[in-house]
Parts: sequence; structure tokens; C-alpha cells
Amino acid sequence: AQSVTQLGSHVSVSEGALVLLRCNYSSSVPPYLFWYVQYPNQGLQLLLKYTTGATLVKGINGFEAEFKKSETSFHLTKPSAHMSDAAEYFCAVSDSGPGGKLIFGQGTELSVKP
Amino acid sequence: DTAVSQTPKYLVTQMGNDKSIKCEQNLGHDTMYWYKQDSKKFLKIMFSYNNKELIINETVPNRFSPKSPDKAHLNLHINSLELGDSAVYFCASSQAEGNGYTFGSGTRLTVV
Repeated sequence: AQSVTQLGSHVSVSEGALVLLRCNYSSSVPPYLFWYVQYPNQGLQLLLKYTTGATLVKGINGFEAEFKKSETSFHLTKPSAHMSDAAEYFCAVSDSGPGGKLIFGQGTELSVKP
Repeated sequence: DTAVSQTPKYLVTQMGNDKSIKCEQNLGHDTMYWYKQDSKKFLKIMFSYNNKELIINETVPNRFSPKSPDKAHLNLHINSLELGDSAVYFCASSQAEGNGYTFGSGTRLTVV
């Protein structure tokens, strides 16, 4: 069965500092991997996804993630945090099949200090 | 134009009542989902429909009944509401495996 583990339920960084949100997955098949962001009282917005091909994936708002098969990781990074990045971030792995479900990690709350 | 729209956005109701949440997507996607987000923000799939056909039913109490009249709509009806049903319910849609989902903005259900 597929699963996702996000290390750290809360991460705090200073504005301008590097953002690193960690995600490890387990999957018996080549995975599809995603990062979503949820702002307060809003739905989830897709930041980026990995399906096949290039292992370094660039997303919206300056975020990127690298798929490392040997480490079963898909960590999210941003070189310089902005106050507007404060939100909840979810890593997810996709099940296979036409009705394939997304299995989410438990989420990481990112705080950005001025 | 909202891609995935849910109504209502907030729903406060008493225990034992029956309520419905509606979801519509205008993206032409084939697959729609209902997810539940609990108070700790954990997201868990409830149902998945592909072209009006039920694909996934994740051990959800049978008080929850999804209905998909066409592939653009997936409604959720809940009978005999319980306190533990309080959560945020998200509708989502996707076109193909690996494309990710487009989520609605959620329905915050509070059972009192």
C-alpha cells in the first residue's frame, strides 16, 4: 500500500530564508507525486507534480521539488521565503487506475517570521 | 469561472438531521472525488466516481451516500448526522492518472 510521511508538522523560517519541507513516500509502483498548498479557509491548490522524466520539478510561486527514487523522497524547497508562503503544505502520492486516489501526508504548517 | 464549485460553503446543523452538499465541475474531467479533512487537517478519500460510476468507497458509514447524476456533478448526502461528522468536505476532479486534482473550496460542516 502507498503511504506518505511528512517530517515535521510545523516548520518556521524567517523571511528570505530557505524553505525545506520534507516528504518521504512508499509505493510498490512508480509513483506520481504531488505537493499541494492550502491557505486558511481555502481549498487545496496544486504547487507541482512529478509523473515521469526530469526529477527536478518546478512549480508555482518559486517552489520546486526533487524526486529521489533511491531515497524515496520528494522534498519541497524554495530559495527565499516570503510572508505570503505561510500556509499548510501537503505531499501526496497517487494510486494507479482511472479512479486513482491521492494519498496525503499529514501536512506541514509553514510559518514565516518577518 | 470556478472550476470546481461546492455549495454550501458553511453548514451548521443539529445531530440527527439529513443534509446534502453539492459539487459541480466545469473542467470536463471524467473523475470526481469526495475527501474529508478532519480537525487535524488530515485528508482522507471517501468516494471516487468515474463517468458516473462508483470506483472507490473507502469504508465510509452507509449514512453517507454519493450521487452522480452526470459526470460534471457529484453530490454527497448524509443521513442522521453525528457530532463526529463535523469536518471540512472537499470535492475534487481529475482527468487522468498522474494529473493531480482540482479541488473545490470546501464545505465546513458543523454538527451541534
